[in-house]
Amino acid sequence: EVQLVESGGGVVRPGGSLRLSCAASGFTFDDYAMSWVRQAPGKGLEWVSGINWNGGNIGYVDSVKGRFTISRDNAKNSLYLQMNSLRAEDTALYYCARETRGRSWYADYWGQGTLVTVSS
Amino acid sequence: NFMLTQPHSVSESPGKTVTISCTRSSGSIASNYVQWYQQRPGSSPTTVIYENNQRPSGVPDRFSGSIDSSSNSASLTISGLKTEDESDYYCQSYDSNNWVFGGGTKLTVL
Repeated sequence: EVQLVESGGGVVRPGGSLRLSCAASGFTFDDYAMSWVRQAPGKGLEWVSGINWNGGNIGYVDSVKGRFTISRDNAKNSLYLQMNSLRAEDTALYYCARETRGRSWYADYWGQGTLVTVSS
Repeated sequence: NFMLTQPHSVSESPGKTVTISCTRSSGSIASNYVQWYQQRPGSSPTTVIYENNQRPSGVPDRFSGSIDSSSNSASLTISGLKTEDESDYYCQSYDSNNWVFGGGTKLTVL
């Protein structure tokens, strides 16, 4: 059974940092690209960042470029998101998602999310 | 980048059929596949349609997807509505670099 378990969320002041983690199990982690998707309270889904199987291809939404860094450790079956210079608008539930790339490109499994609150 | 626009909310009675639209702002809807996710209250999204019209295993055939090039939009149709279908639904597509989500549609089954 595919499982994605996020951790690392919390309350942080504007300008602060957090590191999110996603522990993957139930599949061969280094066979898959992974993404982070966030959902602000009461709002819709927003893709944040994605990384291919070996970290050689990485992308970010414009609003987080230069502030967030995605990475992975295939030996530990883990995905990470280092978030620096956090802003109030980064407040959201952050989901880890497994990507499927075949004819299409989408998320086939999601974690339960970890909540990040940026507030003074 | 393009945007995907969905109606904010739709409502229908149990047993009826509802269709949710997703309109692409620029570029052809047919140029990249469209997916649909269901998000029940307090839960993570799950895929109900991928590659425009394919259902993952376990998704009932009451759910169907299509695209219409004339309106440059995708649609999710749910027939034989059940109260358990009451959820938020999101369409999703992509360009070369990122996923694009629609704003979501709240389906009320009353």
